[in-house]
Amino acid sequence: RKEVEQDPGPFNVPEGATVAFNCTYSNSASQSFFWYRQDCRKEPKLLMSVYSSGNEDGRFTAQLNRASQYISLLIRDSKLSDSATYLCVRLRADSWGKLQFGAGTQVVVTP
Amino acid sequence: ETGVTQTPRHLVMGMTNKKSLKCEQHLGHNAMYWYKQSAKKPLELMFVYSLEERVENNSVPSRFSPECPNSSHLFLHLHTLQPEDSALYLCASSLDRTNEKLFFGSGTQLSVL
Repeated sequence: RKEVEQDPGPFNVPEGATVAFNCTYSNSASQSFFWYRQDCRKEPKLLMSVYSSGNEDGRFTAQLNRASQYISLLIRDSKLSDSATYLCVRLRADSWGKLQFGAGTQVVVTP
Repeated sequence: ETGVTQTPRHLVMGMTNKKSLKCEQHLGHNAMYWYKQSAKKPLELMFVYSLEERVENNSVPSRFSPECPNSSHLFLHLHTLQPEDSALYLCASSLDRTNEKLFFGSGTQLSVL
């Protein structure tokens, strides 16, 4: 099993709708998680940090479920500009400062 | 503008060529990284430099040779690459190697023929 696993998608979302997707992890020693956003042919950029049970930033909500070992990202009122690949990232507790990336979930918001 | 600049943006090279990727960060960070991103695969950490000292080498083949002359500049020297090395190579920096917030450059799309 991959240490960080994501549904590759694509998730096709009508503009204005809500979309949510998960990321599962296999190592319970994980301490912190992050969502990065990567536009097509661009570099990844940090979207949100998820330190405890969850975090909310505007239309974006991230939740962490330690019992089931997954984090989720929910996007409300989707905009066309939300179309991107969302990378789930965990900070490994057993390796100082080392980030582990998932392969990403593609979201396509349609008019 | 992320403050991390990578050149070139695109590179096509033959298997016998020698080329170098360049990265420069203007953020005053102390840690710099090279990542490889292949299509539909997770980012793979290649090298980590902290205060100009290489602190991690993730079993990368010797045909990839990093160089960090100072805390603002990072190079990746390439020689005798293979077609499977074709990928997006991303440079990143962070305040220090314990800081999880990475700032990425726009990457070099490398094609090895």
